[in-house]
Amino acid sequence: GIQVEQSPPDLILQEGANSTLRCNFSDSVNNLQWFHQNPWGQLINLFYIPSGTKQNGRLSATTVATERYSLLYISSSQTTDSGVYFCAVERWNQGGKLIFGQGTELSVKP
Amino acid sequence: DAGVIQSPRHEVTEMGQEVTLRCKPISGHNSLFWYRQTMMRGLELLIYFNNNVPIDDSGMPEDRFSAKMPNASFSTLKIQPSEPRDSAVYFCASSFWRGDVKIDTQYFGPGTRLTVL
Repeated sequence: GIQVEQSPPDLILQEGANSTLRCNFSDSVNNLQWFHQNPWGQLINLFYIPSGTKQNGRLSATTVATERYSLLYISSSQTTDSGVYFCAVERWNQGGKLIFGQGTELSVKP
Repeated sequence: DAGVIQSPRHEVTEMGQEVTLRCKPISGHNSLFWYRQTMMRGLELLIYFNNNVPIDDSGMPEDRFSAKMPNASFSTLKIQPSEPRDSAVYFCASSFWRGDVKIDTQYFGPGTRLTVL
C-alpha cells in the first residue's frame, strides 16, 4: 500500500516564527489533505490539495504530485497553532479512504 | 450544517462489556468512514460505507468489531466484548461522491474517546 511519511516528527517554535512541514508519499494519488488536530483532539481540515498551491491566511500548502510530496507552511506562528498536523492521501479507486502519515507535533511557545 | 455528529464523546467501560458508538454523517453525504486513532498505530481506517453498503472492512481488527449503516443518516460501530486494547479515539467521517468522482472532501466528527478498564 501507499506509504506516507511526515517530517519532522516534532517541532518547537517561538511565537512569530515560520515553519515548513513536509509530507512524502510513495505512489500517485488522487488527493492529498492536510489536517490540524488541536489539543482537544478535533481533526480540522486545512487544505484539500492534490496539486498546486493554496493559501488560507497564515497557512499555505504546495503539492508537487509528480515528485510525490507536499509542504505546509505556517507563517508568524501563534500558540493556537499548536497541535499535531497530519497529511493524508487517497486514491479514488480505493473508495476514498484516507491513508494518514504519523503527524508532526508542533508546539508554539509564547 | 452541524457537521459530522458522534456520540458519546467519552465512554468508559469495563472489559467484557458491549460498546456502541454512533455517527450521523453530514446531510447529503453518501460515503461514511470509521477510523481509529491510537498512539501506537496512528490513524487507521476500520471500515467504510458507500450508499449505506459496506465496501471495505479489511481494517476491522477482529470479529468483536461490527459496523452497520441502516440508513443514510446513521451508523454504528459496536465492540462486543470490549478489551483494554480497544481503548482509542474512534472517528467517523463522511464525504460526497458522484459515481467515481469525489465531489466534497472528507469531514471528521469530534471523535469518541473510549477507555476500556
